[in-house]
Order: sequence, then C-alpha cells, then structure tokens
Amino acid sequence: QVHLVQSGPEVKKPGSSVKVSCKASGGDFNSNSFSWVRHVPGQGLQWMGGIIPIFRTANYAQRFQGRVTITADERTRTAYMELRNLRSEDTAIYFCAGGRLPGEWSHGYWGQGTLVTVSS
Amino acid sequence: DIQMTQSPSSLSASVGDRVTITCQASQDIGNFLNWFQLKPGKAPKLLIYEVSNLEAGVPSRFSGSGSGSKFTFTISRLQPEDVATYYCHQYDHLPRVTFGGGTKVEMK
Repeated sequence: QVHLVQSGPEVKKPGSSVKVSCKASGGDFNSNSFSWVRHVPGQGLQWMGGIIPIFRTANYAQRFQGRVTITADERTRTAYMELRNLRSEDTAIYFCAGGRLPGEWSHGYWGQGTLVTVSS
Repeated sequence: DIQMTQSPSSLSASVGDRVTITCQASQDIGNFLNWFQLKPGKAPKLLIYEVSNLEAGVPSRFSGSGSGSKFTFTISRLQPEDVATYYCHQYDHLPRVTFGGGTKVEMK
C-alpha cells in the first residue's frame, strides 16, 4: 500500500515558480511511477508528466513541456514538481499519483492535493 | 496524442436509476482504461482498472466494460453518495496519459 503526502498550499505571483513535493511511504519507491495531475476549477483533469525514479528521466505532456520539471529523491522518498513562469490560468489543485503496480501508470494512489493560487 | 471523448458531459438522475457513461478513444488502447471518481475537495478515487476490474473496497454497483476504443462505465443503482464527476483515463508504457473530459453526475 502506497501513501502519498503532499506539501501545503502556495500563493504565487505571475511569472514566478512553484515547487510541490510528494512524500511516499510504503511500496517500492524506485520502481513506482509518480505522476503529476492538475485539476483547474471548472475544467477536467490534466496529466502534466511523471517519473519512475529508477529510470531517472521524466516524461512530460506536450502542453507543459519546457515549463515543468519533475524529479524524485530516493533518499527521502519524495517526488517533486516545479512549474515555472506561472500565470493565472495555472491556479489549480495539483495532485501526485502513484501507479497501482510498479512500473505502470494506472494512478491507483493519490496525494491529498496542493492548491496553487497564482495572483498578482 | 490519444484523445478520449467522454459523454455525456453531465447528467441528472434519481436514486436507484441506472447511469451509463461512455468513453471513445481516438485509437485502439487495449485494456489500459480506468475510471475515476472526483468529489470536491477530495483526491480522485480509482473505481475501475483495466476496463472492468473493480478496485478493492469499491461497491459492486460500479462496473465497466468495452474493448479496443469504446468503453462504458455503469452505476447500476445510483446512490446519493455517488454525486461526483467521473473521468475515464487511458495510459500506456511510454507513458502517454489522457483523461476524458469528465461527466458530472447530479441527483434529480
């Protein structure tokens, strides 16, 4: 059983960056997938990208390519998502999600969500 | 990218009604299709994985079916606690991950 706990809410200015963390307990951290999915108010769920720590390389959705960086620290069992050049449209709840099984992207486990508010 | 077209975008039904949601993929996605429930202030909850498998602890009134590119999610007898938005979700090993547009289920 994987349990994911995310960092707290953030308020950011347009043009700045935000880094959200997701600490995992249980399961095989290095072999699990960690995705970042956001929910914009009034819109649907958007997959931003993800990483399997043992492979070290993250994969990103095209719409976020170049503006997001996803990393994982096996020492602290924590995944991170950094989003740069924030704009008001990035105001959303950001979730980390882990695979049901190692190495797959089925999103069976979820963090509690982190509200990121972008406002001048 | 694989597109997931989900319908309807919203529906209103009564307690005990049968509710059906469909999801059409832009190409054959095999059995890599899940269904999630999203309630305000909560994390998405996996209900059905790999088209038709019920996640542990999920009531049996929820079910899924389909193959290839066309999939169906059913609530056999709608309960008040089922008011939520439901999403289909496809994934593969590359990874390519896409969510459908969502179906908001409300009570009449």
